[in-house]
Amino acid sequence: AQKITQTQPGMFVQEKEAVTLDCTYDTSDPSYGLFWYKQPSSGEMIFLIYQGSYDQQNATEGRYSLNFQKARKSANLVISASQLGDSAMYFCAMREGTGASGSARQLTFGSGTQLTVLP
Amino acid sequence: ETGVTQTPRHLVMGMTNKKSLKCEQHLGHNAMYWYKQSAKKPLELMFVYSLEERVENNSVPSRFSPECPNSSHLFLHLHTLQPEDSALYLCASSPSSTGTFYEQYFGPGTRLTVT
Repeated sequence: AQKITQTQPGMFVQEKEAVTLDCTYDTSDPSYGLFWYKQPSSGEMIFLIYQGSYDQQNATEGRYSLNFQKARKSANLVISASQLGDSAMYFCAMREGTGASGSARQLTFGSGTQLTVLP
Repeated sequence: ETGVTQTPRHLVMGMTNKKSLKCEQHLGHNAMYWYKQSAKKPLELMFVYSLEERVENNSVPSRFSPECPNSSHLFLHLHTLQPEDSALYLCASSPSSTGTFYEQYFGPGTRLTVT
C-alpha cells in the first residue's frame, strides 16, 4: 500500500490567490514527520515545511502552512497569495520514527502535484 | 560552494560505458542519500550513508555501486546500464539519518540518459 498519496496530478491557481495541495499518509508508527518539498523545472528539491506527529499546532513558514489533521491522516499544504514563481512540482513526504528501521525509516515521497500559477 | 552540489549536471552514456556521479555537501551533515527520479514515478531511495548506518534499497540493481569516502562526499558508480536507468539522480544530505525531524537538503541532480 502507498504510504503517501497525492491525488491531484495537476492544479491551477490564479496569481495572488490561495491554493491547497492534498496529501494523505498511511502509517501505524506513532512517531513520524511530514515534509513538503518544491521541485522547479530546474530539478532541485527545495524543502518548504515540516510537521511532526506530536506537534500540537499546524506548521507555518511564511506563505506556506500545513493543515495537519491527524485523525484523517492528512497533511495538506496551503500556499497563500500565490506567485508566478510558485509554479513547480510539489511533493509530500513522510519519515517514520521509532517503529521503523533501515530504509523504512527514510523519506517516502508521494507522486507529486504539478502546480501552475496563472497570471 | 554552499549546500549540496552534484556533477555532472547532465550525462549521456552508452550501455557499455562506466561513469561516476559525484555529490558533495558543504553543510557539515553526517548523512547522505542517493535518489532516483523517473518520469511519472515517486522518488525512489537508492542508498543511505551515515555515521549511524548504511541502508540499501534491495531493489537497486548491482550495476549501481555507491561509495562514500567521507561524510562530505558521495559517489554513484555506474556500469553496463540499461535504457530504463535513464532518470534524474538526486543526492541529498541531512544532519542525521535517524530521527523524524531532519529535513534533507537536495542537490540539483544529474540528468542521466542511457543510449
